[in-house]
Amino acid sequence: KAGVTQTPRYLIKTRGQQVTLSCSPISGHRSVSWYQQTPGQGLQFLFEYFSETQRNKGNFPGRFSGRQFSNSRSEMNVSTLELGDSALYLCASSLDISGELFFGEGSRLTVL
Amino acid sequence: GENVEQHPSTLSVQEGDSAVIKCTYSDSASNYFPWYKQELGKRPQLIIDIRSNVGEKKDQRIAVTLNKTAKHFSLHITETQPEDSAVYFCAARDNAGNMLTFGGGTRLMVKP
Repeated sequence: KAGVTQTPRYLIKTRGQQVTLSCSPISGHRSVSWYQQTPGQGLQFLFEYFSETQRNKGNFPGRFSGRQFSNSRSEMNVSTLELGDSALYLCASSLDISGELFFGEGSRLTVL
Repeated sequence: GENVEQHPSTLSVQEGDSAVIKCTYSDSASNYFPWYKQELGKRPQLIIDIRSNVGEKKDQRIAVTLNKTAKHFSLHITETQPEDSAVYFCAARDNAGNMLTFGGGTRLMVKP
């Protein structure tokens, strides 16, 4: 069974641009969560989707948004990029809302 | 919301020694406590988890203990090996399936 797949793996953007990251969960998993990981800040929760509905949202500005499609694939978007948005963005899927999280390799975003 | 604190932030031990990482949580409704290991440049992976109906769980050299009254749980690694070197994250979640909240992480270094 294929694991969680995130694309792109690496990307470089400049301030003010926007970016879209994609996550394909493990087949059969209906819940997808997104986390931001920066050195010294651990794993900061962004949002969680289940059956195309956002169930939970972390404490991030409105520039961060996401969605989930009917096939459970998810995307997150960051608009008006700032230098501080440079981070590893991790997607995790689980069978349901209370199951074990399986993480993808992450998308490493660098904002110049 | 839930708040999870993790200590220490870094831990250095000699190969063969034991390592203990401690976490406290704030929400008494939390009842699921997983531990994730993240090796350098890799994705976080679940190594062990415990639910609130048990006080201790073991898996070979790894054990987790939970004290619901004091709202803290700990990861114990015995006979540490160099391959145990990684960042370890604790987390907590309640039964309503609210978001998994992570601690700040512990960088464990096992010296040969």
